[in-house]
Formats: sequence, structure tokens, C-alpha cells
Amino acid sequence: SQTIHQWPATLVQPVGSPLSLECTVEGTSNPNLYWYRQAAGRGLQLLFYSVGIGQISSEVPQNLSASRPQDRQFILSSKKLLLSDSGFYLCAWSEGQINSPLHFGNGTRLTVT
Amino acid sequence: GNSVTQMEGPVTLSEEAFLTINCTYTATGYPSLFWYVQYPGEGLQLLLKATKADDKGSNKGFEATYRKETTSFHLEKGSVQVSDSAVYFCALSDHRGGGGADGLTFGKGTHLIIQP
Repeated sequence: SQTIHQWPATLVQPVGSPLSLECTVEGTSNPNLYWYRQAAGRGLQLLFYSVGIGQISSEVPQNLSASRPQDRQFILSSKKLLLSDSGFYLCAWSEGQINSPLHFGNGTRLTVT
Repeated sequence: GNSVTQMEGPVTLSEEAFLTINCTYTATGYPSLFWYVQYPGEGLQLLLKATKADDKGSNKGFEATYRKETTSFHLEKGSVQVSDSAVYFCALSDHRGGGGADGLTFGKGTHLIIQP
């Protein structure tokens, strides 16, 4: 069966520090991968998605970037965190078929101080 | 663009009460519709889905029917339990990228609280 791992579970970082969140998927090949951010009272916002290695699409211009160095690895990064980057970050995967559901990791709670 | 509107929460009910959480959508084409549930401190779990008009998705006593004429996908359960307390998200599929990369557009979520 497929599993998705996301880490760390919680992170407290000072403003201006770098960020790296990692997500890996097991049990499937060539998944579509996604990064969402969940801010209090604002629902889920799609940040990035990827249909293959090295292919990244950005939905919202901001202080973050994403990379996919391997088929089942998706990384969310920032060079300098802002206070507004605080939130709950969720990685997800889906099969490469139309209307496939998304399967989410357990999320990372990021607090920028 | 696509959008999903859910009823505002929190929704507070007593155990064994009937539950309805309203969801309406705006979309081009024929999206699939989903309900996800999020328990405290966790990621989202797929609860149920429907892929075409008049389809009914069901799981764990929850049901939702894809109503194209009213662009709705309301979530219902006949008798809720304390363990159903969570945040519920309605979502629809988008089509992103040439590889069928379906991201989802989510509603803002409805916090459900069930009291014993």
C-alpha cells in the first residue's frame, strides 16, 4: 500500500532563517505531488504541484520554492522566512489520472518567531 | 475560476443528532467532488467522493450526493458520535498541467463539535 511521510511534525524558526520541509511517498511510482498551506480561518491554499522529476508549477508567488529531486521526494524551501510563512504545511500525492483523490501527509506545523 | 463555499462553523450538535454540512461549488466543466476530514493535529483524510452528477458517495455513515442542478454536495449523517468531531472540507478537482495533475480547490472547512 502507499504511504506518505512528511517531516518534521513541528518546527519553530526565527525570521530570516532558511526552511526545508521534506515529503516522501512510498508504494507508487510517478505520483503527482503537492504542497498546500493551511492558515487559520483561511482553508487550504495550493502552493506548488509537480507532475514529474524537476517539474514544478507554482500557484502563488511568494517567499517559498519547491523542488523534486527524485520521483517520490518533494521538498519545500525558503531562503529567508517571514512571519507570514507561519502555518500548517501539508504534502499530498495523487495518481496521474484525472479526478484522482489526493492523499495527505500528517502535516508540519511551522511557527516563525 | 473554481470555488467551493461551505457553511461557516463551528457547528455544535448533541450525540445522535442528524448532521448536514452544506457545500456549493462553482466550476467549469465537470469536476469530481470530495469530502475530507481533518482530526486535530493531523493531515486530511479522504472521507468520500463522487465523480459525476447524481452519484452518491458514502463512507462511515456519511453520505453526499452530487447535485449538478443545484451545484451542491452536502454532507449528511443520520446519527453523529463524539468521535466525529473534526474539521470537514468540501473540495472539487481541478485540471492542472498536461499530465492530468488534479489539484483540488477546497472550501474553508467546517469545524464540527459533537457533545455527549
